Amino acid sequence: DGGITQSPKYLFRKEGQNVTLSCEQNLNHDAMYWYRQDPGQGLRLIYYSQIVNDFQKGDIAEGYSVSREKKESFPLTVTSAQKNPTAFYLCASSIAASGISTDTQYFGPGTRLTVL
Amino acid sequence: ILNVEQSPQSLHVQEGDSTNFTCSFPSSNFYALHWYRWETAKSPEALFVMTLNGDEKKKGRISATLNTKEGYSYLYIKGSQPEDSATYLCACRGNTPLVFGKGTRLSVIA
Repeated sequence: DGGITQSPKYLFRKEGQNVTLSCEQNLNHDAMYWYRQDPGQGLRLIYYSQIVNDFQKGDIAEGYSVSREKKESFPLTVTSAQKNPTAFYLCASSIAASGISTDTQYFGPGTRLTVL
Repeated sequence: ILNVEQSPQSLHVQEGDSTNFTCSFPSSNFYALHWYRWETAKSPEALFVMTLNGDEKKKGRISATLNTKEGYSYLYIKGSQPEDSATYLCACRGNTPLVFGKGTRLSVIA
């Protein structure tokens, strides 16, 4: 089955620890995205990548880092510098990001991160 | 940051009722308007993508319209069913990646 997987579904970490959230897609999409959702908020873009070995900051990139070493994978690291990391994190992919405004995004199931 | 507003925030309707909700966005630098449906415990799924002023799209009992000059889109659901219960997200593409609204949470009561 083609799709996007995120693991784990629930993640607990102690304050001050870095944590990496996994996102894998087998849709052969060029572009991948990370969003954060908080109660009462819309999806906010953290980072996105249009192509392997390249990525751009979204609206709320501070305290996060990403890598894009392979087309299929776009892991997100929540660092200890992120002041309020407890949230629901969604990964998405699309065929291509640049110049294609109608490009539909396909979402993973999400990871709920709780920092204790 | 481009501002996308959705109203109402939540909505409760009886099974069989028709309903609609609104997405507002800046009309300048507009490229496309996306609608997604997000059911509880599932991933958001794309419903429609619209680009042209006056566009109308339909999928079963759900339809959407677009007015790019005044900066709004309506989503209509005809004869709501319990399985329509979900959060409906709109997202606008300008010369930046998609910006999402906060969503409208629809509950259809049997």
